[in-house]
Amino acid sequence: SQQGEEDPQALSIQEGENATMNCSYKTSINNLQWYRQNSGRGLVHLILIRSNEREKHSGRLRVTLDTSKKSSSLLITASRAADTASYFCATVDTGRRALTFGSGTRLQVQP
Amino acid sequence: EAEVAQSPRYKITEKSQAVAFWCDPISGHATLYWYRQILGQGPELLVQFQDESVVDDSQLPKDRFSAERLKGVDSTLKIQPAELGDSAMYLCASSRQDSTYNEQFFGPGTRLTVL
Repeated sequence: SQQGEEDPQALSIQEGENATMNCSYKTSINNLQWYRQNSGRGLVHLILIRSNEREKHSGRLRVTLDTSKKSSSLLITASRAADTASYFCATVDTGRRALTFGSGTRLQVQP
Repeated sequence: EAEVAQSPRYKITEKSQAVAFWCDPISGHATLYWYRQILGQGPELLVQFQDESVVDDSQLPKDRFSAERLKGVDSTLKIQPAELGDSAMYLCASSRQDSTYNEQFFGPGTRLTVL
């Protein structure tokens, strides 16, 4: 079963703009991860944030985590056409190892 | 850079036929996962292996699906008989056993179409 919802389901922006995606989950987690999936391809790991962290940066990516609200956000700054993809949050629940994915946000970056 | 290999990349079959998918994880990764991704949704876990042992197959439809990892390296996922609702992307992933935070590495997937 899906862990939770991602918001928005689809997002279209211009190159250079920032893109923000939100994720909600339901259970107690060990960590939360974000993955990117290009059309019809496998998933690529982007960034991981531990349950005791509140914010993390990696290049143009910024992730926040609010465990009290069971939510996370992914910010992509200065977007590029190559960022066009689907983005999924995934949680590793406490006591488990498998990932539980959200429903994904489809990002379209217009050149 | 090491990658997870999957084959075939695409498979078209008729309902009631048998299909099989193969996965070769990154060398040294003890944990292997099979996920199913229906179009427009996130992946859902089907089965998780630790070495050759099944750790979690609670979401695997065992009446028609089977998975094995006999030598604790590569793995095969089988569907028999295939149904129309099995059309999806089947993703294999692997991770290191000692990975506390369990970053997973995914293969390119097998796109199954059941006619």
